[in-house]
Amino acid sequence: DIVMTQSPLSLPVTPGEPASISCRSSQSLLNSNGYNYLDWYLQKPGQSPQLLISLGSNRASGVPDRFSGSGSGTDFTLKISGVEAEDVGVYYCVQALHTPLYTFGQGTKLEIK
Amino acid sequence: QVQLQQSGPGLVKPSQTLSLTCAISGDSVSTNNGAWNWLRQSPSRGLEWLGRTYYKSKWYNEYAVSVKSRIAINADTSRNQFSLQLNSVTPEDTAVYYCAKGGEWRELYWGQGTLVTVSS
Repeated sequence: DIVMTQSPLSLPVTPGEPASISCRSSQSLLNSNGYNYLDWYLQKPGQSPQLLISLGSNRASGVPDRFSGSGSGTDFTLKISGVEAEDVGVYYCVQALHTPLYTFGQGTKLEIK
Repeated sequence: QVQLQQSGPGLVKPSQTLSLTCAISGDSVSTNNGAWNWLRQSPSRGLEWLGRTYYKSKWYNEYAVSVKSRIAINADTSRNQFSLQLNSVTPEDTAVYYCAKGGEWRELYWGQGTLVTVSS
């Protein structure tokens, strides 16, 4: 099975400072249609995961522009340009190309310093 | 915007069948643009995709290998909902179960989650 590896697993951040999360997959997520099937989700405390970024870099509807996704193939990054208190939670990268259809990273817990 | 409302028991006895339902509003279970998924989350296994059903001229089902012998996901077009059945459960099946719509690019839109405990 494909393996998704996130780093760091814990991310303390001062409000207003930038943050970055790395995600690596054991197989390329670049499909023949030119899209990378890599999504980012945020699970806020006590809530279901919510979509932040799809296809590696497309912000979901209503997601603030301080969130951005980049990367291709096997290496991807989620960046937050200036962390706010409401951004706390666990961030997951997920591949949606290979079997099993959705494979999740371990999660990165973002907390406010 | 699709909304998903889960229902079902929160406690199941070992060896019995776990059954959950996901009611859909704002979309149709028979849509040709998307799929209807079940996932679960536990401290030991993290987030795990279990399977999906979708309609493209006929109904298709896909299941994770880890549960393939025990799982069934079915769509109910008359009630615009879909369901999960997981047979022969053990305490290892204790988890928060989520239904989710898979969108055009396979992105997921999640229900509220249901904690299911397997215990006698």
